[in-house]
Amino acid sequence: QVQLVQSGVEVKKPGSSVKVSCEASGGTFTSYSIHWVRQAPGQGLEWMGRILPMFDTTTYAQRFQARVTFTADESTSTAYMQLSSLTSDDTAIYYCATYSPSRGGAFDIWGQGTMVTISS
Amino acid sequence: DIQMTQSPSTLSASVGDRVTITCRASKSIRTWLAWYQQKPGKAPKLLIYEASTLEPGVPSRFSGSGSGTDFTLTISSLQPDDFAVYYCQQYESYSGTFGQGTKVEIK
Repeated sequence: QVQLVQSGVEVKKPGSSVKVSCEASGGTFTSYSIHWVRQAPGQGLEWMGRILPMFDTTTYAQRFQARVTFTADESTSTAYMQLSSLTSDDTAIYYCATYSPSRGGAFDIWGQGTMVTISS
Repeated sequence: DIQMTQSPSTLSASVGDRVTITCRASKSIRTWLAWYQQKPGKAPKLLIYEASTLEPGVPSRFSGSGSGTDFTLTISSLQPDDFAVYYCQQYESYSGTFGQGTKVEIK
């Protein structure tokens, strides 16, 4: 079964960008769609979008469309989430997630999360 | 985007209680609905998918029902390990909107 391992803590200044990585191991990277979910402190889960590495296609949630970019590197089985024009509202834990074929789209596989703090 | 409305936002209950959480979608999602449990400092854990299929290893006191726009998660007899936050999520048409979450706390 695939496992997802994310990059470490990030501290960024307002107005800058952040790039979080999500490395997949134990499975065929291109068979999976990688989704990104974030969670602000004390808040709920927010779906940001997904990338399907096999076809290099992306789907973004409307509220992030203008400033988020998902990419994938098949050679290293790694997906990336880049978020630009950061504000304090972007302080959150960012998760990547995917699903086993039998789950039909429900996320049974999660990364450990990456804490991103935006502070001047 | 499909909107998910979950209720209640907080639920106070005792060990042994039967607990029900509801989730409503803004349009039909057939049975493309999942329920997750999240504990502090941890990633969400899948409990139920396709509205009513129990994830392997999840206790049978958890059950899900519904189709179209209205769904429920039921815990038949609340156990100490069940105090957590629960989220519904729709995954119809390659998207994945979550409900706002329900915190189940000790009464």
